[in-house]
Amino acid sequence: DSGVTQTPKHLITATGQRVTLRCSPRSGDLSVYWYQQSLDQGLQFLIQYYNGEERAKGNILERFSAQQFPDLHSELNLSSLELGDSALYFCASSVRPGGYEQYFGPGTRLTVT
Amino acid sequence: GESVGLHLPTLSVQEGDNSIINCAYSNSASDYFIWYKQESGKGPQFIIDIRSNMDKRQGQRVTVLLNKTVKHLSLQIAATQPGDSAVYFCADSGSSGAGSYQLTFGKGTKLSVIP
Repeated sequence: DSGVTQTPKHLITATGQRVTLRCSPRSGDLSVYWYQQSLDQGLQFLIQYYNGEERAKGNILERFSAQQFPDLHSELNLSSLELGDSALYFCASSVRPGGYEQYFGPGTRLTVT
Repeated sequence: GESVGLHLPTLSVQEGDNSIINCAYSNSASDYFIWYKQESGKGPQFIIDIRSNMDKRQGQRVTVLLNKTVKHLSLQIAATQPGDSAVYFCADSGSSGAGSYQLTFGKGTKLSVIP
């Protein structure tokens, strides 16, 4: 158990809908990262937050957004969902800002029908 | 763009033998190269890292080798056990110019251990 929690575990929704994925980092970790894992694109970095502020952006679509709250949990919002958004979404946390030793949660499997 | 890739998508190894997982990288400016392990149904798990100015680093039953001349990274697992069955990803950290590393992952190699 990495100490990172993600909810929900599974999510099934229709095209055009909007969903919110939630992540709680390990106790004491201030950095949160979001990744998308799909069969064709592999594991791709989306966005990073550090202590409530956006720190780095990767391949995140404009339809996607995220935030980190004062209690350090983070939410990833996915809107106008398309079939191609079906994937595993992982949250990770690290002690240091932008650290490469990251602790991953169990992921949320999103299926868009 | 920059990418990290793997030579082989699958690897089958007899229990007790040594495993070698290979990776090619393209971002020579990365400060670190890292190996992650992902077991079925779980998130990736950090295994070991190597700084770009090193050639070799050893951990518990694992060794990472870095050959900057040919931009090649490998992970050696000694005495492979059934619990080592997983997908292994190499990743590069990029450079920390902005004070933050951004991991770029390879596609992954699936290691299957034959009892």
